[in-house]
Amino acid sequence: GAGVSQTPSNKVTEKGKYVELRCDPISGHTALYWYRQSLGQGPEFLIYFQGTGAADDSGLPNDRFFAVRPEGSVSTLKIQRTERGDSAVYLCASSLGPIATSGAGNEQFFGPGTRLTVL
Amino acid sequence: GEDVEQSLFLSVREGDSSVINCTYTDSSSTYLYWYKQEPGAGLQLLTYIFSNMDMKQDQRLTVLLNKKDKHLSLRIADTQTGDSAIYFCAERKGYSTLTFGKGTMLLVSP
Repeated sequence: GAGVSQTPSNKVTEKGKYVELRCDPISGHTALYWYRQSLGQGPEFLIYFQGTGAADDSGLPNDRFFAVRPEGSVSTLKIQRTERGDSAVYLCASSLGPIATSGAGNEQFFGPGTRLTVL
Repeated sequence: GEDVEQSLFLSVREGDSSVINCTYTDSSSTYLYWYKQEPGAGLQLLTYIFSNMDMKQDQRLTVLLNKKDKHLSLRIADTQTGDSAIYFCAERKGYSTLTFGKGTMLLVSP
């Protein structure tokens, strides 16, 4: 497909378990972002990759959360020792260039999200 | 989304105009965005405005920016039932990522 894809679309896990969420950005997009959207809230920034490196991880809530993008394309968000408060929709977005490319607003294209439920 | 505030709900009749309002707190924001979210779908960028502009029009959409009051609005002309969705205002500060409001649910009745 031409858009951002995320798998799985839904994930139910038990408290304390480990989960991985995957994001496939649009081909050719060098920038990738993870956001978390809790019920009734807007998306909240977690981490931003430019290429393979995490350029800004200031939104990660604690050290249970980690993300990688080893080849500069697909990214995986990893959550250890999940807690009920981690339940949310995890959104991934990609954009053509780095944030510093400002001329056209540097549109971020969002995937449909992964709904994580921690029981 | 604590830096960006929106009213939570708006109900209009089909054919009327809708106006969704947003306030933001950071005067250094460079771009302001409106996104649309439909159930089960990803966020869709509707339009954006650069901070040195007052107005931007794109077909049925008009964005007004009052930088002095840090107020942004989205007007949808001739609102249709297909416009029913949640609309998010977002700000971008310099080279940082996006900060979203909590969203305004727009309900369009026939």
